[in-house]
Order: sequence, then C-alpha cells, then structure tokens
Amino acid sequence: GDSVTQMEGPVTLSEEAFLTINCTYTATGYPSLFWYVQYPGEGLQLLLKATKADDKGSNKGFEATYRKETTSFHLEKGSVQVSDSAVYFCALSEDTGNQFYFGTGTSLTVIP
Amino acid sequence: GAVVSQHPSWVICKSGTSVKIECRSLDFQATTMFWYRQFPKQSLMLMATSNEGSKATYEQGVEKDKFLINHASLTLSTLTVTSAHPEDSSFYICSAAGGTGNDNSPLHFGNGTRLTVT
Repeated sequence: GDSVTQMEGPVTLSEEAFLTINCTYTATGYPSLFWYVQYPGEGLQLLLKATKADDKGSNKGFEATYRKETTSFHLEKGSVQVSDSAVYFCALSEDTGNQFYFGTGTSLTVIP
Repeated sequence: GAVVSQHPSWVICKSGTSVKIECRSLDFQATTMFWYRQFPKQSLMLMATSNEGSKATYEQGVEKDKFLINHASLTLSTLTVTSAHPEDSSFYICSAAGGTGNDNSPLHFGNGTRLTVT
C-alpha cells in the first residue's frame, strides 16, 4: 500500500541555518506529493506540491523536488527564520478522490 | 477563501461518555469531508471519508459503531466518539475537499480537536 516515511524530529536550528527534512514514499501509481505545515494552534496548510516527476514545488523560500528514481520529496530551505517554527508533514495522494497519506510530521524549532 | 472550522479545539470527558466533534466548511460547500486521527509521534491516519447524504466509508480497523460520522449537509460533518475510553484519547482532524483557497490545496483542514478521556 501507499505510505510516506518522514524524517523524525524534533529538529532545532539556529536562525539562518540550512534546513532539510527528508521524505520518501511508496506508491503503486504516480502520486502527487505535498508538504503541509502546521503552525502552533492552527490547522494544516499547504506549503508546496508537485504533481509529476522532476517537478519542483516552491513557496516562502522552501523547495522540494519530486524524485521518482529515489522516491523522495525532501524539503529544503536555505535560511530558516524563527517564524518557520512549525510541524511539517509530507503527504501523497494518488487519485482525485483526495485520499491522502501523511508522514509522521517533523517538528522544527528555529532559535534566534 | 476556504476555511474549515472544527469545534471544540480540545475536550476532556469521562470514560463511558460520548463526545461530538463538529467540522464546518465556512465559505464553501464540501461534498466530501475526511476525518483523521493522530497519535503522538505517528502519522495522521485516515479514519473515514464522509460524503454528504450518504453513509461514511470507514478505513480498515476503524470501528464504525464507535466513531459515528454524520454528514447531513454540504457544510457540516460530525464525528461522535461513543462510550469513550482512555485509549480514544488522541488528536482528531477533519478536512474538506472543495473550495478555492489561497494555497491551491485540494484539501482544507480544521485546527484539530484534542480529546482526553479520563
């Protein structure tokens, strides 16, 4: 079955550090891949997505590239800010039925 | 926008009682809503898919008689945890498909409900 494996946290970084959160997936077909972010006290919000191999999703300085050969969708940011502190979820969806499979979430804390 | 409101955000109840969680799409109609459950340090697990006007579809291993889902209108789905036990303590999140949010997401999530059963 479909699944998402995500780097365990928590992750603590200093401001302006480089961020990588690893995500790999298992899917039977050709899924769309997503990164969702959950800020404290809020619901999940879509951060970025990619719908096919080699696509790069980007938003707010975050990037992730859909790598079919390595079944990965790692999240990166060159210089994190305190305001990036949140929980990040990697997810996939195979069909238009909107059934999603989520990773465990990675908690990121950025310290000044 | 595409706002999903989930209520309550947290609830504490005694073992054996029932708890109802509401999920509302505030500015769009959601024919399909999803209920997830998250245990500490684990994934969001899909519990059931709720379609307006029909019975919910439950994932394998989810007790439909324990987790009652009602999707009576295009803007409201409810999850009732019946005869709650401490092992039902968890974080429950709903999401709704539809609407046009700023983030272009196919799903819009509520803020979640933290249930603690004592």
